Amino acid sequence: IQLTQSPSFLSTSVGDRVTITCRASQGIGSYLAWYQQKPGKAPRLLIYDASTLQSGVPSRFSGSGSGTEFTLTITSLQPEDLATYYCQQLNSYSISFGQGTRLEI
Amino acid sequence: EVQLVQSASVVKNPGTTVKISCKVSGSAFTAYYLHWVQQAPGKGLQWVGLVDPEDGQRMYAENFQGRVTITADTSSDTAYMELSSLGSEDTAVYFCATALSVRSFRYFRHWGQGTLVTVSS
Repeated sequence: IQLTQSPSFLSTSVGDRVTITCRASQGIGSYLAWYQQKPGKAPRLLIYDASTLQSGVPSRFSGSGSGTEFTLTITSLQPEDLATYYCQQLNSYSISFGQGTRLEI
Repeated sequence: EVQLVQSASVVKNPGTTVKISCKVSGSAFTAYYLHWVQQAPGKGLQWVGLVDPEDGQRMYAENFQGRVTITADTSSDTAYMELSSLGSEDTAVYFCATALSVRSFRYFRHWGQGTLVTVSS
């Protein structure tokens, strides 16, 4: 299953509302996660089951969607949100990631 | 606190085999599936495979099938990833990660710090 994220790169400002889209090549139900990765660090789980916020993740992050189209929204962007964001599908044991969306502030 | 500590960076010659480790502490090793993820320099994330430490069941991504072996040693709470016939395209950071929930392979909650494998003659 191919995942396509858009945009690949986004220039933003502090306080902006940011939306990243992830499209799956076939239906995956709600088996989708979002990760944040900062340079030189391991990824961090933000959202799972398409819309469930992982414990400890700020509430400005939210996810939605099902089937083949999903979104990650960051309301009121903060400087520490500078990172690359990946979607991931786990519909089956053939797990795949999107190509990533890099945010610059 | 759950911690995944990976082995140190390594340089390997083309055509050889590398084996890297991931020691898990702070959680029941056999309760959580363990995954490996590859990240080439400046590139995105690619799933390599998983192991169920409870029974040793393994699943591999198609791109790595035939060259990768993932194992789990319950006596030391350590997982291993062995990759053979190394080529320059295998130069990457490899992360281990444990699943979010007990007895489910889905979602990667805890991550190791990453191990850089450099393939160079």
